This record gives sequence, C-alpha cells and structure tokens, in this order.
Amino acid sequence: EVQLVQSGPEVKKPGAPVKISCKVSGYTFTDSQLHWVQQAPGKGPEWMGLIDPEDGQIIYAEKFLGRVTITADTTTETAYMEVIRLAFDDTAVYYCAASSGGSRGFFDYWGQGTLVTVSS
Amino acid sequence: DIQMTQSPSSLSASVGDRITITCQASRDIGDYFNWYQQKPGKAPKLLIRDASNLEAGVPSRFTGSGFGTDFTLTISSLQPEDIATYYCQQYGDVPFTFGQGTKLEI
Repeated sequence: EVQLVQSGPEVKKPGAPVKISCKVSGYTFTDSQLHWVQQAPGKGPEWMGLIDPEDGQIIYAEKFLGRVTITADTTTETAYMEVIRLAFDDTAVYYCAASSGGSRGFFDYWGQGTLVTVSS
Repeated sequence: DIQMTQSPSSLSASVGDRITITCQASRDIGDYFNWYQQKPGKAPKLLIRDASNLEAGVPSRFTGSGFGTDFTLTISSLQPEDIATYYCQQYGDVPFTFGQGTKLEI
C-alpha cells in the first residue's frame, strides 16, 4: 500500500521558517516525482513545485521561487518542503503528492496534509 | 502560466440529476488534464486522469471528456456521497495549475 505520511501541524510567527516532511512507503522513492501543493482556507489547490528524487531535478512555481526549498533524502525516502519568511497568507494546508505514472502530472497519491498556521 | 477557468463555481442539484462541470484551459494542453474530488478536511482524490480515464474504484457514473482547451466532467446520476468540491488540473506545462473549483450541493 502506497502511503505518504506528513509531519504534524505547525504554528509559526510571521517571518519564521517552517519545514514539512513527507515520508513515502509502498513504492520505490526514485520512481516518482514528488510534488507539493498549497491549499489556503476556502481556496483551491495551488501547485508549488516538484522534485525528482532520481536525478535531483527541482522545479518551482514562480510564485514560490526564492522562498520555498524542496529537498529529498533517498536514504530515508523522505521529501521536505521549507518555506522561509512566513507571512499571514501562508496559512494553509500543505500536501505532498505523487503519481503512479512516475513523471506524469496526475496525483493519485497524497499525503494527509499539514496545516501551517501563521499567527502573531 | 496556463489559466484554468472552471464553471460553475457552485451547483445545487438533486439526487439522480445529471451534472456537468466544465473547465477551459487558456491554451492547448492536449489531454494533460485531470479531475479531482475533494471532501472537507481531506486531500483531493483523483477521479479522472488524462481527460477521460476513470481511476480504479471510481463509480462509472463519472465521465470525463475533452481535448485541447475544453473539458467536461459529467455525473450521470448524482448520489449523496458525491457532495464535494471538484477541481480540474492541467499538467501540459509547469506550473501545473488547478481550476478554482465547483462546490456541489444537494
């Protein structure tokens, strides 16, 4: 059974960083790109970027470039997403997602989501 | 970026109704297009990939069609468990983008 298990909820102050993990099991970690998706309260999902654990390729959506860092540890089969300089509008649920199609852009596997609350 | 325009934004219907949701891409994406269902507090669930391929376990009352810029999700006979928000998504080019959603109510 494929599972993507994310780290727990976070409460952060404006300006602080946050780092979320996504532990993969049930498939070979390097067989699929791993994506991160932001979903603000009451809003639709927004794709943030991807990492290909096989070759290390990383692509960011321009909106998140410079403030988001996506990494992957193939030894622990865990991906990470860090956001720096958090602002109130970064309050959202963050999901990791993967595809059974490898590099295809459909997401049939999702983590449970990590709620990040930015509050002073 | 490719913009995905989804309509309607909300829809009230009755059990047994035939429902159609549309999504238009701002440029040709071929069939690099998916539909998701999301229920409150849950991650999106892939319903249809590549415009028309039903995911395993998804009821056959869900149908996807379209190619290029115009796509449709049809529910042939609405069931109570279909109450959710539906999103379209393209992967023809990065950044992958989602529609703004259609909230389905009974």
